[in-house]
Amino acid sequence: DTEVTQTPKHLVMGMTNKKSLKCEQHMGHRAMYWYKQKAKKPPELMFVYSYEKLSINESVPSRFSPECPNSSLLNLHLHALQPEDSALYLCASSHHPRLDGTGELFFGEGSRLTVL
Amino acid sequence: TQLLEQSPQFLSIQEGENLTVYCNSSSVFSSLQWYRQEPGEGPVLLVTVVTGGEVKKLKRLTFQFGDARKDSSLHITAAQPGDTGLYLCAGPMNSGYSTLTFGKGTMLLVSP
Repeated sequence: DTEVTQTPKHLVMGMTNKKSLKCEQHMGHRAMYWYKQKAKKPPELMFVYSYEKLSINESVPSRFSPECPNSSLLNLHLHALQPEDSALYLCASSHHPRLDGTGELFFGEGSRLTVL
Repeated sequence: TQLLEQSPQFLSIQEGENLTVYCNSSSVFSSLQWYRQEPGEGPVLLVTVVTGGEVKKLKRLTFQFGDARKDSSLHITAAQPGDTGLYLCAGPMNSGYSTLTFGKGTMLLVSP
């Protein structure tokens, strides 16, 4: 199993809603990531979890709240989002939290979020 | 901040043509990766280059890592419509957590 699975694939929410994005991998990877990608732009790093602990927060607003319940799961809780937060949210995982000489990431298909 | 500059940003060609995409930086990278992303999908790793001067081939795709490990190129021979997508080069950031910095990407459109 070499997949990173993200749900939902599409999400439309209002600015007062609370929703969550979910990510799952069963490759035994110990690092998991959230990236945000706007149209025609490269992915931008949001959070890194290393051994289920938050290691990096790239100054992301608190309306995005990550959670790593176990080594296979990664959630992104959303609350009071703004229309400019509409984007493709990508989850990724890698074998080890520290650089192993390749830093290869395995990406999910993403969750397309639209904030009205 | 380590920056990766990709060129061209957009490329539209006919099936059967050859093309080259460039990824340049003023910084030295321990490795560089190339990803392809199709619309509505996540990026998929194509190759990782690690050694300066390294050349790797993946069917019709040839990847090269510069001798100084500051640049890389992707050459596609006889492009096909299935090659259409966003090509991203990426290199490890200095955070030590396998984080990547991405170039802005090259959008390739191959028409039949």
